[in-house]
Amino acid sequence: EDKVVQSPLSLVVHEGDTVTLNCSYEVTNFRSLLWYKQEKKAPTFLFMLTSSGIEKKSGRLSSILDKKELFSILNITATQTGDSAIYLCAAITSGTYKYIFGTGTRLKVLA
Amino acid sequence: NAGVMQNPRHLVRRRGQEARLRCSPMKGHSHVYWYRQLPEEGLKFMVYLQKENIIDESGMPKERFSAEFPKEGPSILRIQQVVRGDSAAYFCASSWDFLETQYFGPGTRLLVL
Repeated sequence: EDKVVQSPLSLVVHEGDTVTLNCSYEVTNFRSLLWYKQEKKAPTFLFMLTSSGIEKKSGRLSSILDKKELFSILNITATQTGDSAIYLCAAITSGTYKYIFGTGTRLKVLA
Repeated sequence: NAGVMQNPRHLVRRRGQEARLRCSPMKGHSHVYWYRQLPEEGLKFMVYLQKENIIDESGMPKERFSAEFPKEGPSILRIQQVVRGDSAAYFCASSWDFLETQYFGPGTRLLVL
């Protein structure tokens, strides 16, 4: 059965810290991996990763995919209280539209 | 550029009542997906619809749940005779094509008393 596992389940850090969130996947015919940020509203799209080893960056957030080891990481540098959220990763298999989500990492950034 | 809209944002029902959840996709999007998020669990795919067609409902319970996406108007997820186990957040997502990135709405949080 296809599955996505995220770790840690939750994380508490102080402002200014750097965090690394992990996402491992076991899916047949893997196509892409996506990261979303979920606050008390819609999960908002962060990154889509399809190629291995190519880092994607957006401000203080960056992410990379390792298709050999079947995982991705999401890095957040110089964290701020506004980064507090649940971070979801999802895998997509080729030719389908079903996103397979992990349970998320709950990040809390303290002032 | 309105994003995906869902209403209501919160819905309280008593056991046995019906729940109707609405989703208006982003402008230009004709593909709609419904997901359910149970407490402490990830989002789980329920159903995929295009205008007037259900493409894949493999993730939706066989009984009491139905979905539609009429030619005009929002997509509707309908839960009949709700039970406490239906309490969850229901998210709708839309995309402009079936393999394109899905953008999510804010969700409807259903509480069954």
